[in-house]
Amino acid sequence: DGGITQSPKYLFRKEGQNVTLSCEQNLNHDAMYWYRQDPGQGLRLIYYSQIVNDFQKGDIAEGYSVSREKKESFPLTVTSAQKNPTAFYLCASPHVTGNTIYFGEGSWLTVV
Amino acid sequence: KQEVTQIPAALSVPEGENLVLNCSFTDSAIYNLQWFRQDPGKGLTSLLLIQSSQREQTSGRLNASLDKSSGRSTLYIAASQPGDSATYLCAVLSLTGANNLFFGTGTRLTVIP
Repeated sequence: DGGITQSPKYLFRKEGQNVTLSCEQNLNHDAMYWYRQDPGQGLRLIYYSQIVNDFQKGDIAEGYSVSREKKESFPLTVTSAQKNPTAFYLCASPHVTGNTIYFGEGSWLTVV
Repeated sequence: KQEVTQIPAALSVPEGENLVLNCSFTDSAIYNLQWFRQDPGKGLTSLLLIQSSQREQTSGRLNASLDKSSGRSTLYIAASQPGDSATYLCAVLSLTGANNLFFGTGTRLTVIP
């Protein structure tokens, strides 16, 4: 079955460290999105990519970086410049002609 | 830019009640609208997808309607159960724009036994 795999599910980061969250899809979709969700809050867009080798900043891109070297993969790096990274991170991929939006199961990042 | 709004932000109902959740959007040029459920600390589970040419979709006790011209969708839950307690989000896939995926902030539903 096609879908999105996010890993790790839980991640702890020490202050000053960069960490990378993985998002892999086998849906053959062009578009991939990263969202951040704080407890009790809605989804906020970090970065998105509509095609390989291209990506755009979302509403809260500062302190984050991404790459899109392969269609299947859209990793998110949380850099040390992100001062409050503790949150739930979701990767999503809509189909361009309007079929269902697929989500990964999310990754919890905690700063220790 | 598309804006998606969900009202109310939170809702508490006694078990067995029928209820309606609302989602409105500002730009009617959409591919589809999708309703999701999110349990605390979990990812999103797709409930219903309505294509722009459709008026409604049903799955079990859930019925979602779409009025594209007025920019509104409703999610109707019949005979609510405590297990329905969750946050419900709507998402709109717009026809235009580099970023064409927009989410509402959700309605947190509590069904009281």
